[in-house]
Amino acid sequence: QVHLVQSGAEVKKPGASMKVSCRASGYTFTRSPMHWLRQAPGQRLEWMGWINFGNGNTKYSQKFQGRVTITRDTFANTAYIEVSTLRSEDTAVYYCARYYGEYEAYDIWGQGTIVTVSS
Amino acid sequence: DIVMTQSPLSLPVTPGEPASISCRSTQSLLHSNGYNYLSWYLQKPGQSPQLLIYLGSNRASGVPDRFSGSGSGTDFTLKISRVEAEDVGVYYCMQALQTPLFAFGPGTKLDIK
Repeated sequence: QVHLVQSGAEVKKPGASMKVSCRASGYTFTRSPMHWLRQAPGQRLEWMGWINFGNGNTKYSQKFQGRVTITRDTFANTAYIEVSTLRSEDTAVYYCARYYGEYEAYDIWGQGTIVTVSS
Repeated sequence: DIVMTQSPLSLPVTPGEPASISCRSTQSLLHSNGYNYLSWYLQKPGQSPQLLIYLGSNRASGVPDRFSGSGSGTDFTLKISRVEAEDVGVYYCMQALQTPLFAFGPGTKLDIK
C-alpha cells in the first residue's frame, strides 16, 4: 500500500529554520515527483515546490525562492523540505503529496506536519 | 497567474439531498490533449486532503459513485447525488495546467443541517 509518512510537529522561533521529512513506501518513488504544500490557518492550500525523485531537479514557487530547499535521499525513500528565516506567517500545516502524472493531480498525501513559529 | 474561485463557500445540506459546488478559473484549463487539468479534493476534519476527481470528470479509486465532476474550460462543477454524513469537510478544486503554479480554490465547507 502506498504511504507518505511525515515527521512530527515542530515549534520554532522567528529567524530559525525548520526541516520536515516525508518517507515514501509502496511504490517506485523515482517515477513520480514529490510536491510540498502548506495550509496556514484559515487559508487555502498553497503550493511551495517539487522535486524529481529520480534526478533531484527542483522547482520552487517564486514566493519562496531563496528561502525553501527541497532535497531527497533515494536510499531512504525520503524527501525533505527546509524553510529558513522563519516568520510567524510560516505557521502552517506542511504536506508532502505525490503528483501522479496520469491524473495530473495529487493522489497520495502525507498526514501533515504542524509547524508553529512563535517567540 | 490562474486564480481559482469557488461557490458557495459554505454549504449546509440535509442527508440524502443533492449538493453542488462550482469552481471557476480565470483561464481555460483545457489542455491541447483534450483533458481539463482540474481536480477536486475533500479534506475531512483533522485529515489530509484526499483526491476525489481528476482531469475534470474522472473519479479516483475508491470514491463513491455519488460523486461526479463535470465542466470544461473555465467552469466546473462537483456534484454529490445524495449527501451522507461522511461527506462533511472542505472541498477544494485545483488547477494543474499552469505549472508550476498549482493553484487551489478557497474551499467550500460542507456540513450537515
